[in-house]
Amino acid sequence: GAVVSQHPSWVICKSGTSVKIECRSLDFQATTMFWYRQFPKQSLMLMATSNEGSKATYEQGVEKDKFLINHASLTLSTLTVTSAHPEDSSFYICSAGGGRADNEQFFGPGTRLTVL
Amino acid sequence: GQNIDQPTEMTATEGAIVQINCTYQTSGFNGLFWYQQHAGEAPTFLSYNVLDGLEEKGRFSSFLSRSKGYSYLLLKELQMKDSASYLCSLDTGRRALTFGSGTRLQVQP
Repeated sequence: GAVVSQHPSWVICKSGTSVKIECRSLDFQATTMFWYRQFPKQSLMLMATSNEGSKATYEQGVEKDKFLINHASLTLSTLTVTSAHPEDSSFYICSAGGGRADNEQFFGPGTRLTVL
Repeated sequence: GQNIDQPTEMTATEGAIVQINCTYQTSGFNGLFWYQQHAGEAPTFLSYNVLDGLEEKGRFSSFLSRSKGYSYLLLKELQMKDSASYLCSLDTGRRALTFGSGTRLQVQP
């Protein structure tokens, strides 16, 4: 199957700083990638859809000015958490399509963000 | 929107069979996915049902009934490594997935 990587796998930062998370499709091109957030013992919640060469589409309740998404190439999408606060501490997972089923998503390994 | 319901937790014994149910309410969808997720890791694909009926893949099988708004994942010959969360998710055609809350399965010796 397709491989999606994320970097970093974990990050600890101080409140007020910005953190950038990268999502790469290693062996296929992805015009669309998705960013999910998962709080402990909860399921994945879609944050936004990242579209190559155009603006991201954000889900209701997700602040686009706080969670900046850039999809500059067909293999890379970045999520920047600006002015992070403790409540932003979560597991962030990206995914990209191209799987066996028409809409199967391949997930990155996730990034654990802890904001002190 | 979509409502997807799964039991929060289940416990089963090594070597046994367990069925994880998923009920949903939605105006329409292309198919239903089941994913496995170990703690701190990304979900991995298990199955995808488009038509009603049972899809079998080794120890794992998944069933879908569109008329009943119901699916289940069946795990046979349980192994300790099967302890994980199992996520039912709908492919609504938006390409992103809508996930249920997940079922945490604990396999005991």
